[in-house]
Amino acid sequence: SQQGEEDPQALSIQEGENATMNCSYKTSINNLQWYRQNSGRGLVHLILIRSNEREKHSGRLRVTLDTSKKSSSLLITASRAADTASYFCATRNTGANSKLTFGKGITLSVRP
Amino acid sequence: ETGVTQSPTHLIKTRGQQVTLRCSSQSGHNTVSWYQQALGQGPQFIFQYYREEENGRGNFPPRFSGLQFPNYSSELNVNALELDDSALYLCASSLAVGGAQETQYFGPGTRLLVL
Repeated sequence: SQQGEEDPQALSIQEGENATMNCSYKTSINNLQWYRQNSGRGLVHLILIRSNEREKHSGRLRVTLDTSKKSSSLLITASRAADTASYFCATRNTGANSKLTFGKGITLSVRP
Repeated sequence: ETGVTQSPTHLIKTRGQQVTLRCSSQSGHNTVSWYQQALGQGPQFIFQYYREEENGRGNFPPRFSGLQFPNYSSELNVNALELDDSALYLCASSLAVGGAQETQYFGPGTRLLVL
């Protein structure tokens, strides 16, 4: 079952614009992570935010977490054509033997 | 490059056959997780191994089994293949310390086609 639900499902923007992607989840989490995947290949870890954090930055990436709303957003600023990929949020649940549960992903297209 | 390798990259099998997929973890990592990703979907957790023992499993039938070796490399075995097993199989390695596990590093995946 998918815990995280991303929206929108697809996003098309012009190079230079900002891209905002949202993720909602259902259960208590230890942390939330965002991954990128190019053309059905392996996933690349982008950023991790813990349940006690509200905002985190990494280069052009900014992620926020609102545990009261069980939601997160990923902002990519000044997008580039190379940012074109699928983006997934994944939540790690609390408790023993925790696992990472992925959403269905968002397809981002950045037009040159 | 994450340092996680998988073999083979592509594989074609027929229904009913058995398949073994292999994963070599990133150096220093003691945990490996396997995921199945169907076309257009997010990865689904199959199971996880920590220090050669399974310590978590998703909603997959027993015909999906695995092994982790002393060098922390891993295998995923699928028996009695079904058409719906066609997918990209991803392994991910991580370092678990004191029960806490964070960033997972993914391999490039093995694309399995069952005919």
